[in-house]
Amino acid sequence: DTGVSQDPRHKITKRGQNVTFRCDPISEHNRLYWYRQTLGQGPEFLTYFQNEAQLEKSRLLSDRFSAERPKGSFSTLEIQRTEQGDSAMYLCASSLVRDMNTEAFFGQGTRLTVV
Amino acid sequence: GNSVTQMEGPVTLSEEAFLTINCTYTATGYPSLFWYVQYPGEGLQLLLKATKADDKGSNKGFEATYRKETTSFHLEKGSVQVSDSAVYFCALLMDSSYKLIFGSGTRLLVRP
Repeated sequence: DTGVSQDPRHKITKRGQNVTFRCDPISEHNRLYWYRQTLGQGPEFLTYFQNEAQLEKSRLLSDRFSAERPKGSFSTLEIQRTEQGDSAMYLCASSLVRDMNTEAFFGQGTRLTVV
Repeated sequence: GNSVTQMEGPVTLSEEAFLTINCTYTATGYPSLFWYVQYPGEGLQLLLKATKADDKGSNKGFEATYRKETTSFHLEKGSVQVSDSAVYFCALLMDSSYKLIFGSGTRLLVRP
């Protein structure tokens, strides 16, 4: 296993278009997380899944954002009607929950630019 | 609420210099503490962690000690290399939580 994989690495889109990102976690990891990182800032939590269930969504995740994790494997993050403020790095992470202090492994991220 | 504060960068050092990057936290309980590193064009990698007070995390010559009395987790390295140039993030994870809370990051630039 080569770690958390995200696709695409870069996406440029026009304002108002829809975009979808994919994340493939480390196999057998039951938790999957999405974070957003804007320039000069640390990552901010967006949402997380335990297996296929989406258990929490941050207030940062407006109605234009939707995430899915069918069958508890890969996950997609869709942004509808993109705005310039959506430009950021979208990071996916996964972990295997054995105890509370479990390490999250991050992917390389998808950099979104909305023009 | 829970939060992490890091010293602002960039930190510019010459090769073999001593590094300290300050990190302090605010938390309602007793978090686990982490340092992540982000190399240019890459995702985050866990550098080290400490799960309870007085624990010392260490990896690749980097160290950080969990200080409950000063609510700090400063990152140190005795002799930096050019290859250490990256952005370093301090983060906390509460016992009852699942989401990391990150500081804003500190960029380190090491010159030959």
